[in-house]
Amino acid sequence: DIVMTQSPDSLAVSLGERATINCKSSQSVFHVSDNRHYVAWYRQRPGQPPKLLIYWSSTRESGVPDRVSGSGSATDFTLTISSLQAEDAAVYYCQQYYDAPYTFGQGTKLEIK
Amino acid sequence: QVQLQQSGPGLVKPSQTLSITCAISGDSVSSNIAAWSWIRQSPSRGLEWLGRAYFRSKWFIDYAVSVKGRITINPDTSRNQFSLHLNSVSPEDTATYYCARGSHRSSWVWGQGSLVTVSS
Repeated sequence: DIVMTQSPDSLAVSLGERATINCKSSQSVFHVSDNRHYVAWYRQRPGQPPKLLIYWSSTRESGVPDRVSGSGSATDFTLTISSLQAEDAAVYYCQQYYDAPYTFGQGTKLEIK
Repeated sequence: QVQLQQSGPGLVKPSQTLSITCAISGDSVSSNIAAWSWIRQSPSRGLEWLGRAYFRSKWFIDYAVSVKGRITINPDTSRNQFSLHLNSVSPEDTATYYCARGSHRSSWVWGQGSLVTVSS
């Protein structure tokens, strides 16, 4: 199985600043036939299902603000949230859907300082 | 847009079968680009993918090793839905269960979640 490891486990960032969350996959999740990395990022607030933010490692889901971005290559991926707002406080997860079993990172809790 | 609506009991007794249905609107369970998964979440296990069903000229269904032998995923084309059945449950199966659509060629959409408690 592909293991997804996120860092840090938690972080506190001030309003208006930038938050960066990392995710490392234990093996490549790159599909050569379509030149894509099959990594998604989610935000989860208490009592709600995960909400898709980014797919194919860097494509923003419709309706997600452009201050949220994804990047990465090989086995290292990053979610960046700039100009942090109060509504960004949540737990964030990465997921690989390159191969079953699909697997998730352990989550990163983002708090507003 | 695609919406997934889950339904099922919130309390199941140990050794019995947990069953949840996911009704699909805005897409077809027989789509040739989608895949239909069940995922659960608990404090001890985090987010755990349980299995999926997808149609590519015929049905393919695969399961996570952790629940293989106890799990069945059934697509229902007549009702445009799919279901999860997990038998011989124990308290360790207590979790919030989610249905989801996602694949290489379709984006991920999740159901609202179903909290299932296994207790006598």
